[in-house]
Amino acid sequence: EAAVTQSPRNKVTVTGGNVTLSCRQTNSHNYMYWYRQDTGHGLRLIHYSYGAGNLQIGDVPDGYKATRTTQEDFFLLLELASPSQTSLYFCASSKGQGISNERLFFGHGTKLSVL
Amino acid sequence: QQQVRQSPQSLTVWEGETAILNCSYEDSTFDYFPWYWQFPRESPALLIAIRPVSNKKEDGRFTIFFNKREKKLSLHITDSQPGDSATYFCAASADSAGNKLTFGIGTRVLVRP
Repeated sequence: EAAVTQSPRNKVTVTGGNVTLSCRQTNSHNYMYWYRQDTGHGLRLIHYSYGAGNLQIGDVPDGYKATRTTQEDFFLLLELASPSQTSLYFCASSKGQGISNERLFFGHGTKLSVL
Repeated sequence: QQQVRQSPQSLTVWEGETAILNCSYEDSTFDYFPWYWQFPRESPALLIAIRPVSNKKEDGRFTIFFNKREKKLSLHITDSQPGDSATYFCAASADSAGNKLTFGIGTRVLVRP
């Protein structure tokens, strides 16, 4: 089973604060994703990447930056956090395209509260 | 606008009954439709998936029915068990868009014993 590790598990910050969420996968997957989960909205894609140095824009990118430093590591950056970014954030990875490669493996999530 | 729509938002069935979850989509280029389930305080996990080359996919008590013409699909859970109580997400992606998976808002299913 693919392993995706997120840190921290919980984070509280103030409006205007600077936050970095970390994600590491150890299964040599090409794709990595950041989703946010909110009641009434399901899972919404923020940013994703298909390799080190690559970044693709998701569906709700405003207010977020991301960086894929290595095959294993994908970071989500909130430089001026706002209360609307209070959410449960999931990182996920997948091997790639094609049948049986598209399955997403999710981390345990990071609960972020912006006061 | 939502590209993947799910209904109902919540559903309660008795143990042994069949639960039917509905999903529809807008984008004709979507060609991969997985369903993920999520138990309380856990992360989502792949349950079952289908591609439009077939109109039905079965895995034990879980079956996807797919109607390409109407852009609709449904997940049937037969002989529902209390352990099936979870939130079910319909999702879709297009090969032409890489691995970008779009999720619906989910259907919360409660199976009463």
